[in-house]
Amino acid sequence: DSGVTQTPKHLITATGQRVTLRCSPRSGDLSVYWYQQSLDQGLQFLIQYYNGEERAKGNILERFSAQQFPDLHSELNLSSLELGDSALYFCASSVVPSGSMTGELFFGEGSRLTVL
Amino acid sequence: QQQVKQSPQSLIVQKGGISIINCAYENTAFDYFPWYQQFPGKGPALLIAIRPDVSEKKEGRFTISFNKSAKQFSLHIMDSQPGDSATYFCAASMLNDYKLSFGAGTTVTVRA
Repeated sequence: DSGVTQTPKHLITATGQRVTLRCSPRSGDLSVYWYQQSLDQGLQFLIQYYNGEERAKGNILERFSAQQFPDLHSELNLSSLELGDSALYFCASSVVPSGSMTGELFFGEGSRLTVL
Repeated sequence: QQQVKQSPQSLIVQKGGISIINCAYENTAFDYFPWYQQFPGKGPALLIAIRPDVSEKKEGRFTISFNKSAKQFSLHIMDSQPGDSATYFCAASMLNDYKLSFGAGTTVTVRA
């Protein structure tokens, strides 16, 4: 158990709909990352938050947005869903040290989104 | 565009054999190279990592070999066991940048 909790584990919805995926990081971790895993694209970095602020952005579509709340949990919002958005969405967390890094990301078990 | 290229896509090895997975990168600013292991239904978990100042790192049956001049690194799984059957991802990032760029993954199947 990584200590990262993601809900829901599975989600089935229709095209055009909007969903919210939730992530609770490990206790003490200030940084949250979202990754999308699909069969043809592998693990793609979407976005990173650190202590409530956006830190880095990857290949995240404009239809997607995220935020990190004061209690450090994060939500990934996916709107105007398309068939191609079907994927496994992972949240990961880490401690961001000020000095040398360990670099370890702790991943949750993912939220599997199916868009029909 | 994949910043880290990984091969093979899949491999099958007999119990006790050696599994070898290769990765190559282009960005010379990368200086942290971890390998993650993912079992079905689970998230990836850190297996072993290396920095460019060493050419090899070994942890148990797992060894990373790193060739800075060739911009390549590889994972060797010695004495492969059925419990090693999983998908392995190589990754890379820059110093203090936790935005890991992952390879496409290699599914390893160890036959008993």
